[in-house]
Amino acid sequence: QQQVKQSPQSLIVQKGGISIINCAYENTAFDYFPWYQQFPGKGPALLIAIRPDVSEKKEGRFTISFNKSAKQFSLHIMDSQPGDSATYFCAASKGSSNTGKLIFGQGTTLQVKP
Amino acid sequence: EADIYQTPRYLVIGTGKKITLECSQTMGHDKMYWYQQDPGMELHLIHYSYGVNSTEKGDLSSESTVSRIRTEHFPLTLESARPSHTSQYLCASSTGFGLAGVGEQFFGPGTRLTVL
Repeated sequence: QQQVKQSPQSLIVQKGGISIINCAYENTAFDYFPWYQQFPGKGPALLIAIRPDVSEKKEGRFTISFNKSAKQFSLHIMDSQPGDSATYFCAASKGSSNTGKLIFGQGTTLQVKP
Repeated sequence: EADIYQTPRYLVIGTGKKITLECSQTMGHDKMYWYQQDPGMELHLIHYSYGVNSTEKGDLSSESTVSRIRTEHFPLTLESARPSHTSQYLCASSTGFGLAGVGEQFFGPGTRLTVL
């Protein structure tokens, strides 16, 4: 049972372009949606997160767009740089459960070509 | 940089051996987690802990066991390793407080386990 579905599996973008990664969730009880970035040989690190009471959150070149009715959210990386090449995971959680448990998507491997 | 450590980073071991993967954090976080991740694939939660003497199984069934005797330490043990246990194991910790009541999870660098 895949509660969070992520696409595409891999993405190649030219330097300066926009990278877009999409996620869809099933459980309407989810109320916290983070994105994690993972470099080879490292553990994932939190990039940006959003709650469903806002439709967009921006931090530098990274933006989360959230569509509650469609149960979808996406990560946009503006002016993509080779240093952004990594694997990106979306996730979802029920904050009210107080467990802090995250359900991760399948991951997207991003390659930014110079 | 998060203060969460995992040892060993790499482990190659024969079938039937008992192994313990170590995880320690110096941030005083109550919540700790173990994930299993195959290369380039999603993370699956196999164990979590709310605090000392509290452990729960995660969403993915695992033959491993965990203990939480001290806040900072959350080791994972496999009594008899098998080739099917070959994977990367990631440890994480969290305060549990933050946006929507869910704290940021800080991950260690992982242990890559190969069972021959």
